[in-house]
Amino acid sequence: DQQVKQNSPSLSVQEGRISILNCDYTNSMFDYFLWYKKYPAEGPTFLISISSIKDKNEDGRFTVFLNKSAKHLSLHIVPSQPGDSAVYFCAASGVNRDDKIIFGKGTRLHILP
Amino acid sequence: NAGVTQTPKFQVLKTGQSMTLQCAQDMNHEYMSWYRQDPGMGLRLIHYSVGAGITDQGEVPNGYNVSRSTTEDFPLRLLSAAPSQTSVYFCASRRQPSTNEKLFFGSGTQLSVL
Repeated sequence: DQQVKQNSPSLSVQEGRISILNCDYTNSMFDYFLWYKKYPAEGPTFLISISSIKDKNEDGRFTVFLNKSAKHLSLHIVPSQPGDSAVYFCAASGVNRDDKIIFGKGTRLHILP
Repeated sequence: NAGVTQTPKFQVLKTGQSMTLQCAQDMNHEYMSWYRQDPGMGLRLIHYSVGAGITDQGEVPNGYNVSRSTTEDFPLRLLSAAPSQTSVYFCASRRQPSTNEKLFFGSGTQLSVL
């Protein structure tokens, strides 16, 4: 039973265009959401996060949008750059304070020249 | 600042062998955890610890043991390795449990069980 779902295993985007990565969750108790980026042979690194009290958080080229009613969040990268080619993981944690952070399966983003 | 350090980076085991994956952090983080990454499965939580002497199970704990005798170290033990445990293992930590903070990951251990 997947609590955090990333339904697109891969995505290809032209350099300079917008990349949109999507994530859905099923557990209404989640109140904090994170995006991680992972390059091959490296550990995941934190990218951006959003609390459930917000619907948008921006950090440079990266913006995360949260739609609580739809249990959906998305990561926008504008403009996309070659170094953005990586696997992106969506993750969530909850108000129950059981300390678990649950990850999705990831989306591999390819930025095309 | 080393952050989260995992050893070894690569390991090959035979079915039935035991081994310990080491994880150490130098950030004085209370919370530590172990994940495994498998193709098409993402990152799945194995075990986690909210402080020295306290551990709990994650999503896929079977076949793994952990202990937390110090704040810095959180080893993951495979008592009798199975081919299904072939995976990439990541240790991660964050400053405190029960807070909305990001995890810091180590660089991973690639384990193959033959």
